[in-house]
Amino acid sequence: AQSVTQLGSHVSVSEGALVLLRCNYSSSVPPYLFWYVQYPNQGLQLLLKYTTGATLVKGINGFEAEFKKSETSFHLTKPSAHMSDAAEYFCAVSEDTGGFKTIFGAGTRLFVKA
Amino acid sequence: EAGVTQFPSHSVIEKGQTVTLRCDPISGHDNLYWYRRVMGKEIKFLLHFVKESKQDESGMPNNRFLAERTGGTYSTLKVQPAELEDSGVYFCASSRRINTGGKGSPLHFGNGTRLTVT
Repeated sequence: AQSVTQLGSHVSVSEGALVLLRCNYSSSVPPYLFWYVQYPNQGLQLLLKYTTGATLVKGINGFEAEFKKSETSFHLTKPSAHMSDAAEYFCAVSEDTGGFKTIFGAGTRLFVKA
Repeated sequence: EAGVTQFPSHSVIEKGQTVTLRCDPISGHDNLYWYRRVMGKEIKFLLHFVKESKQDESGMPNNRFLAERTGGTYSTLKVQPAELEDSGVYFCASSRRINTGGKGSPLHFGNGTRLTVT
């Protein structure tokens, strides 16, 4: 069965600092991995996804994530935080098992300090 | 293209009452999902429709919850009778058909319905 663990429910960084949000997953088959972002009073929006191919995936707003199979990780990074990055971030995994149920982590709220 | 729309955006009902949530997916998206997030916890899967058929309803909490997707377009999620623990934000999401290259297609989310049961 698939599962997702996000380390840290809250992360605080200074503007301009590196953002690192951690995600580990469990999957019985090669997974599809996603990061979503949720701004207040909005639905989730896709940041980036990994399906196959290159393990370093680039997304919107300068975010990227690296799929590391040996570590079962898919950490999200951004070199320089901006105030507008303050939001809640969700890591998610889905499997090709006939259906495509997507399982989400508990979310990490990112705070950006001026 | 129009996004996924959900209504109402907020609903406050008393324990024992009935509430029906509606979701209109993106046109042409065969896959429709319902999720729920209780405050501060993970977004939990409820069920998955492919067109009008229930592909997976393993996440439905109990038989007080009934989801339908007549005609394979919009979907409704009815809670009857509502209990206090049903409070949370209910999200609907849709994605493209899997067998036309939709494998790994991301989910497109609505803004959610915040349900409060008092």
